[in-house]
Parts: sequence; C-alpha cells; structure tokens
Amino acid sequence: RKEVEQDPGPFNVPEGATVAFNCTYSNSASQSFFWYRQDCRKEPKLLMSVYSSGNEDGRFTAQLNRASQYISLLIRDSKLSDSATYLCVVNGEDSSYKLIFGSGTRLLVRP
Amino acid sequence: SAVISQKPSRDICQRGTSLTIQCQVDSQVTMMFWYRQQPGQSLTLIATANQGSEATYESGFVIDKFPISRPNLTFSTLTVSNMSPEDSSIYLCSVVNISSYNEQFFGPGTRLTVL
Repeated sequence: RKEVEQDPGPFNVPEGATVAFNCTYSNSASQSFFWYRQDCRKEPKLLMSVYSSGNEDGRFTAQLNRASQYISLLIRDSKLSDSATYLCVVNGEDSSYKLIFGSGTRLLVRP
Repeated sequence: SAVISQKPSRDICQRGTSLTIQCQVDSQVTMMFWYRQQPGQSLTLIATANQGSEATYESGFVIDKFPISRPNLTFSTLTVSNMSPEDSSIYLCSVVNISSYNEQFFGPGTRLTVL
C-alpha cells in the first residue's frame, strides 16, 4: 500500500464548477498535512497547509479526517488557471520535516 | 517565503560522468532537503542536507552515488555520480520554514537528461 494515495484523474471540469479531491495516508502518526500545486515542468508550490479544524483560503477549502486518515481539497468556482496537478503531502513517520508525496491528481478546467 | 535558486536549470550529460547541482537560498534556513522527481512520477526524498555534518540519506539512496555538501545555512550541493540514463530526472532542493507550521518550499529544479 502506498503511503499517500490519490486518484490520478484527470478531472475534467468546466469553468465555474466545484471539484473535490481526496487523499488517504497510511501513517496514523503523521502530524503535518499539505496540498501542493504543480504546474507542468515547474516545481511544486505550497497551496495550503491542512489543519485539524479544517481551513479555507478563498475558493479553496481543506479538510482533515484523522480517524479515517484522509485529507480533502475542495475548489469552488474553478478557473482555467486552476488547471494543474494537485499533490497531497504528509510528513514521514520519523520526522515532521520529511515529506511523503502522493502521486498527484490532475485537474483540467475547460472554458 | 525564502527565495531559492538552483544551478544549472537543466543539463544533458553523458553516461559515466558526474554533475553537481547547486542550491542557494536568500536567507539562513535550518532544514534543507534534496528530492528527485522521475518522469511522470511524484517527488521522492533523497536526503536531508545537514550543515557541518554528513547528509542523512533515505532508503535506496547512498552517499557514493549522491554526495551532498552543506557548508553553511544558505547553500548546498548535490552531485549525481557515475550517471546512467536511469538518473534522468528533475532534482529539487527544498527548505523548511520552521516559523510557519513547517511549510516546505522548493527550488525551481534541475532537469537532468543522461544519454
């Protein structure tokens, strides 16, 4: 079983749609959770950290369910510029700084 | 967030040669890491670059193949030694912002192609 699992997609949605990604992780001791965005041929960029109480940043909402060991990302009112690969990331079991990356979910937003 | 630069941004190398990649940060950071992203895959941690001591390698990565230096808190190098086509990847350095919920930021990456 992979340490961090994501649906690879692609999710193909029209502009303005709401889209949700889920991610599961295997290490119940993980304490840090993130969503990164990676554009083609670019480095990953931090989209948002995921807090236990859930958090929102504009059109983006992240949720954490520790009991079920899954993380979600909701994007409302999708823009063309949201097209990218979204990486679910958790810390490794022996360090809060070592990151384990999911394989990513590809999002395509069409006009 | 810290500004991170890498050199070279890309290179094409011959089998059996070595390439050293540089990572420079515009501020002092405690934690620096090196990752690899193979074509079509996600990122895999190679090692933690420790200032003033030997790097800490992840399973599957060894110092002879990927020697790392970190002479100070703003600079690190990763060498890919005795390259083979399987080493063709993007290599990225990253730094941790400890003061901001351990958020990690990445350099632009070095795209390596080995012929």
